Formats: sequence, C-alpha cells, structure tokens
Amino acid sequence: DVKVTQSSRYLVKRTGEKVFLECVQDMDHENMFWYRQDPGLGLRLIYFSYDVKMKEKGDIPEGYSVSREKKERFSLILESASTNQTSMYLCASSTAEISYNEQFFGPGTRLTVL
Amino acid sequence: SQQGEEDPQALSIQEGENATMNCSYKTSINNLQWYRQNSGRGLVHLILIRSNEREKHSGRLRVTLDTSKKSSSLLITASRAADTASYFCATQEGTYKYIFGTGTRLKVLA
Repeated sequence: DVKVTQSSRYLVKRTGEKVFLECVQDMDHENMFWYRQDPGLGLRLIYFSYDVKMKEKGDIPEGYSVSREKKERFSLILESASTNQTSMYLCASSTAEISYNEQFFGPGTRLTVL
Repeated sequence: SQQGEEDPQALSIQEGENATMNCSYKTSINNLQWYRQNSGRGLVHLILIRSNEREKHSGRLRVTLDTSKKSSSLLITASRAADTASYFCATQEGTYKYIFGTGTRLKVLA
C-alpha cells in the first residue's frame, strides 16, 4: 500500500518561530510537492522538487524554503512563522514516468500560527 | 491564480441520484485529473483523462473532456453517502506543475 506520510496532523506555533514540516514517501517517487490549502483558494503550489537536492519555486514561495537531502523526504520550512501562514499544508509525490501522472497526497498538516 | 474552476461550488443531492460537477480551465493541457478530498484529509486521485481523449469511465465515475471549450465534467452515478466529499479538478502543465481548482463540495443525503 503506497504511502505519503506527514510528520504532524495538527501543529500550533507562535509568530516568529521556525517551523519544520516533514513529508516522507515510500514509493521511490522522483517528484515531491508542497501545497497549502485555504478556503476559497483551493490548492496553491509552494515548492516542488524533481530530484534530490533539486527544488523549484511554485506560485507562492515567499516565506517558505524547502530541503530534499534524500529521495524519500521533502521538508517545508517556515523560517519565521507568521499568522498568515495558518493553513492546511499538503505534501504530494509523483513518479517521473510520463505515463503515470497521478499525485499521491499525504493526510495534511493543519498549522495554526498564533 | 487557479486555472481550474469547478462549478457548482456546492451540491447537495439525495442518495441514489447522479451528481455532475464541471471544471473549466484556461490554457492548453497534457491531461486533466479529478481528485476527491474527504473532510480534513489529503486528496485521493480518482481518474485521469488525457488531452486526446473525450470520455473515460471508472466504476460509477464518468469523465468527459472538451478541449475546444476547455472544460471537463465529472459524473458520479447512483451516489452514496460515502461520496460526500470535495472534488477537485487538476490540470497538468509541463512535466511537473499541477494546477488545482477551488473544488466542488458534494453532500449526499441518506
């Protein structure tokens, strides 16, 4: 059973804290993604990675950074959390094989920044 | 900005009825996918239709794609209470980028 796991389901942090969100996939996928989901805005891409140590900015990278030291792990970092980063964060992965374009999602981390 | 726009935003039907959701997009696509999200959870892939396909079926799901109108529809037949969820279309631009719509919230009443 394929799986994408995220380190926390719920997280509460204070403004200014450094926040790490971890994502691990066990499918040997090349591509990994971080999205945030807000009511009325759908899913917005923050960053993605197509290989170890490779990363590309998505649509809303400001205030975030990422790290991919190992193929199975993709971390999202909020350097200094702010209240407008309160959101649901979703990690996803997909294979690089052109015939298979499905994304597999983790359960999400609901982050609240106070 | 979000490329995919689902319509309606919310839909409430009785169990056993069919549910139809629509998605419009703005640019050329490689494929279009539909996902389901149960409340507070991650998204689950339902079905993918490629740009050279017009219709696809999977169980109780039927997806159509009209590239001339840049639109797609998802039909769920004989709906069940367990189909209650949000449904998102997603288009793929290039190799890596997926663009998701804002979703249709479906409620199936028992």
